[in-house]
Amino acid sequence: GQNIDQPTEMTATEGAIVQINCTYQTSGFNGLFWYQQHAGEAPTFLSYNVLDGLEEKGRFSSFLSRSKGYSYLLLKELQMKDSASYLCVFMDSNYQLIWGAGTKLIIKP
Amino acid sequence: GAVVSQHPSWVICKSGTSVKIECRSLDFQATTMFWYRQFPKQSLMLMATSNEGSKATYEQGVEKDKFLINHASLTLSTLTVTSAHPEDSSFYICSARDPQTDYEQYFGPGTRLTVT
Repeated sequence: GQNIDQPTEMTATEGAIVQINCTYQTSGFNGLFWYQQHAGEAPTFLSYNVLDGLEEKGRFSSFLSRSKGYSYLLLKELQMKDSASYLCVFMDSNYQLIWGAGTKLIIKP
Repeated sequence: GAVVSQHPSWVICKSGTSVKIECRSLDFQATTMFWYRQFPKQSLMLMATSNEGSKATYEQGVEKDKFLINHASLTLSTLTVTSAHPEDSSFYICSARDPQTDYEQYFGPGTRLTVT
């Protein structure tokens, strides 16, 4: 079967760093995505990893280890607007997106 | 990045009526579009994959006679919820795949449907 596991909710402080972990089990793999979704809005693309390693994009970085079925999203210099749900998504062998339930990130001043 | 629009952004309809939602790719041709449904505090669930000029592929458990999908052109796909019931109230989101970037899907802003 295919399964994605990520924490339901996390809390962090403005200006700090937070790491959101994601583990997955899949029979086929064509990449892993992270999306940000604010309440009542559609998801927006953050990152894509298909090879092992760290991809950095501004304040956001994403890491992938295919052998461990593990990824994380690292958010630096947190801002209040970063309060949102972060969705770990992988693309299976049929190029379909399999969505995690998302991690609700709460930023406190 | 590429832009996908949806119309309407929200709609309220009476039980038993039908509602059509449009999804358009504004600056690229999308051979494949996807329709998702999202209930409150839940993840997106893929309903169907729509390919231009052919029948949509529905996910298991999605009634194709109730959720009619038409992908008549490379920039437009429509989802019609027929004989809507209150349990169909949900957030419907479409996405489109840009053939030039195989892996990335661009999402529309979503349509919130409320059936009374």
